[in-house]
Amino acid sequence: DAKTTQPTSMDCAEGRAANLPCNHSTISGNEYVYWYRQIHSQGPQYIIHGLKNNETNEMASLIITEDRKSSTLILPHATLRDTAVYYCIVRPGGSQGNLIFGKGTKLSVKP
Amino acid sequence: DSGVTQTPKHLITATGQRVTLRCSPRSGDLSVYWYQQSLDQGLQFLIQYYNGEERAKGNILERFSAQQFPDLHSELNLSSLELGDSALYFCASSAPGQGGSFFGQGTRLTVV
Repeated sequence: DAKTTQPTSMDCAEGRAANLPCNHSTISGNEYVYWYRQIHSQGPQYIIHGLKNNETNEMASLIITEDRKSSTLILPHATLRDTAVYYCIVRPGGSQGNLIFGKGTKLSVKP
Repeated sequence: DSGVTQTPKHLITATGQRVTLRCSPRSGDLSVYWYQQSLDQGLQFLIQYYNGEERAKGNILERFSAQQFPDLHSELNLSSLELGDSALYFCASSAPGQGGSFFGQGTRLTVV
């Protein structure tokens, strides 16, 4: 699985958009980008995933660069409940393989 | 609610003992994964089962074992427990395809 690089921590004001970057410069053509988050020792929560097109769901948007070497998770209107560690993971699509978690980005949403 | 149920939520036991953690996956999911999260190691993949068969192994100690039953629930058995086994143990399940994995709320194991 390709390795990812994320900032250790980020702050965001409540109500503003939170933009979390991820570098995955060694991503292979068949690998998807997945985002999960973990709120204070709860089970990790799946957010969104994509291959090369931008994706949006009720939780977030995922923007993947054209060369697929980086991506950005966007939480459009961050709330205090979005404070969590966010993990960017790449892995082959269609596989039932395990997830390799790095250290992620600790997002703190402040009032 | 992810639809994945783990029991018990908390477990305190002594060194040298054996415990069993239980996981019920989301309805219809054939894959079950076990992960360990300790303070110093982060989230580590232990083992995966798919429809009753072991599919992949990660950093799972020989003292640990798992199985998936015909009704697709899974159990993780931890034996000869050591202080260092104290951690959160998460179960996740997923459906075939490239969709996400869904995690339970974990079992917090404390070995004293």
